[in-house]
Amino acid sequence: DVKVTQSSRYLVKRTGEKVFLECVQDMDHENMFWYRQDPGLGLRLIYFSYDVKMKEKGDIPEGYSVSREKKERFSLILESASTNQTSMYLCASSTPSSGFDQETQYFGPGTRLLVL
Amino acid sequence: TQLLEQSPQFLSIQEGENLTVYCNSSSVFSSLQWYRQEPGEGPVLLVTVVTGGEVKKLKRLTFQFGDARKDSSLHITAAQPGDTGLYLCAGDNSGGSNYKLTFGKGTLLTVNP
Repeated sequence: DVKVTQSSRYLVKRTGEKVFLECVQDMDHENMFWYRQDPGLGLRLIYFSYDVKMKEKGDIPEGYSVSREKKERFSLILESASTNQTSMYLCASSTPSSGFDQETQYFGPGTRLLVL
Repeated sequence: TQLLEQSPQFLSIQEGENLTVYCNSSSVFSSLQWYRQEPGEGPVLLVTVVTGGEVKKLKRLTFQFGDARKDSSLHITAAQPGDTGLYLCAGDNSGGSNYKLTFGKGTLLTVNP
């Protein structure tokens, strides 16, 4: 069964702290994604990775960095957390589509981060 | 930036009613996906539509892709409380090779018993 797990469901941090959000997938997927989800704004892509040690900026990368040292793990790092980074963070993974198969992104349960 | 507009943003109905939610864009997508997200969980894929005019059915849910591949609709017949959730559409405009989806903001559906 497909599974994407995220290290924490809920997290409370203080402004200025360094925050690590971990995501692990067990499907041997090449692609991994980090989104944030905010009311009225929908899902916004922060970063994605299409291979180990490879990463590309999404639509809102400012204030975030990522790390992908192993295929199954994709980490999102908030170097210095700020209150405007309070949000729901969703990790997803997928395998590149081929032929008539379209890409499906499998999501983790999300981490709800509160920055005080 | 390609946008997907979903409407309505919120929908509250009684059990047994029918409903339709819409996903519209000015851009052409090679495929469009619908996800459902339940409270406290991540989105789960319901269906992918690829061909213009395509209709797919998933039990009481009917999905349609517009002829021009710029819009899609989701119709639910005889809604049940278990249908409650956030419905998201997501478009792929790269022919499947760019692995980046554009998501709409979603329709939050509440089905009251």
